[in-house]
Amino acid sequence: GAVVSQHPSRVICKSGTSVKIECRSLDFQATTMFWYRQFPKQSLMLMATSNEGSKATYEQGVEKDKFLINHASLTLSTLTVTSAHPEDSSFYICSATSSYENTEAFFGQGTRLTVV
Amino acid sequence: GIQVEQSPPDLILQEGANSTLRCNFSDSVNNLQWFHQNPWGQLINLFYIPSGTKQNGRLSATTVATERYSLLYISSSQTTDSGVYFCAVERLGTSYGKLTFGQGTILTVHP
Repeated sequence: GAVVSQHPSRVICKSGTSVKIECRSLDFQATTMFWYRQFPKQSLMLMATSNEGSKATYEQGVEKDKFLINHASLTLSTLTVTSAHPEDSSFYICSATSSYENTEAFFGQGTRLTVV
Repeated sequence: GIQVEQSPPDLILQEGANSTLRCNFSDSVNNLQWFHQNPWGQLINLFYIPSGTKQNGRLSATTVATERYSLLYISSSQTTDSGVYFCAVERLGTSYGKLTFGQGTILTVHP
């Protein structure tokens, strides 16, 4: 299957600082990338959809000014958690799909964010 | 939005046993995927199965789209099968690749 690489795998930051998470599709052109959040012992919840070259579309209840998403190329999307607070601590995971190929969504390894 | 329900929520097996996990969904779908989430959090793609039956080694899956359910079969379970199994669907008419996840089935296989 296709490879999606997410970096960093884990990060600890101080409250009030910003953290950037990268999601790369290594062997296909990702026309659309998705960002999910997973709290402990819960399922994955979609945060936003990003299409290459367009503004991201956020799900209801997700603050777009807090979770900045950029999808500037067909292989890279970034999620920046701005002014992080302890309640933002979670597991963030991206997925990528290609409208050029009718295949399933592939997921990155995830990023465990801890805000102290 | 679409509702995705998985059952059972928890499943405990002895090594070598067989099991069936179920996923019910409330609306028509373009896509259905089964995942295994390992202890480090990574989602492993098991099946891309919007309809029909597929098999991969000890695992197989069947989706009956008209009746809005899918089943994941695990035969001769091994301790390495332990983890969380998620069903996720792409509702008909939504963005390609946009998945709604069920709550998962936590599988524990004892030696």
